[in-house]
Amino acid sequence: NAGVTQTPKFQVLKTGQSMTLQCAQDMNHNSMYWYRQDPGMGLRLIYYSASEGTTDKGEVPNGYNVSRLNKREFSLRLESAAPSQTSVYFCASSYSGTGELFFGEGSRLTVL
Amino acid sequence: RKEVEQDPGPFNVPEGATVAFNCTYSNSASQSFFWYRQDCRKEPKLLMSVYSSGNEDGRFTAQLSRASQYISLLIRDSKLSDSATYLCVVNILYLPGSQGNLIFGKGTKLSVKP
Repeated sequence: NAGVTQTPKFQVLKTGQSMTLQCAQDMNHNSMYWYRQDPGMGLRLIYYSASEGTTDKGEVPNGYNVSRLNKREFSLRLESAAPSQTSVYFCASSYSGTGELFFGEGSRLTVL
Repeated sequence: RKEVEQDPGPFNVPEGATVAFNCTYSNSASQSFFWYRQDCRKEPKLLMSVYSSGNEDGRFTAQLSRASQYISLLIRDSKLSDSATYLCVVNILYLPGSQGNLIFGKGTKLSVKP
């Protein structure tokens, strides 16, 4: 049972480099999310997709872009990484967006 | 005032103790409520939903007071394996701006000692 799969699990970037975090879910969920988690800040929503073909900004969207490629996949792109984007990123999905989220294992990103 | 507030802890308790976590929310349009558990360096996982009448799952009891905009989680007979961070989550059907539906508290850390 794969659930929500994120790649890569770890990444080190230099300032200004770009990268894409991939996320896929096999639960036929409609809604998908990208969160970042920083010490003392809790989970903050970056972007979400309520359904295939739609994306919306969350609390902290600046510096990120997303693509809902199909119902299964939701990617997060950092176009020009900054040290402030050093964080743990979690992808999540839910059937209806009403509360039960299933999270991936997280992607630990360090920007030097 | 933050949307969802929790005591960050840490709560350090001996095995077998009863421990209670509190959570307050500020938006009266909040519709549903949850407790998630997050182990160190792991992803959050749903622990239990919180219903208006209160609900119990084994050693865990969740309570909701809409009048006081307050949610609680009680853990009885705590085990070493209960050591984790407990996240309060509130679902709001409508939010202005760009936050989506779910608001996470920053979590309360529990450490159960032998």
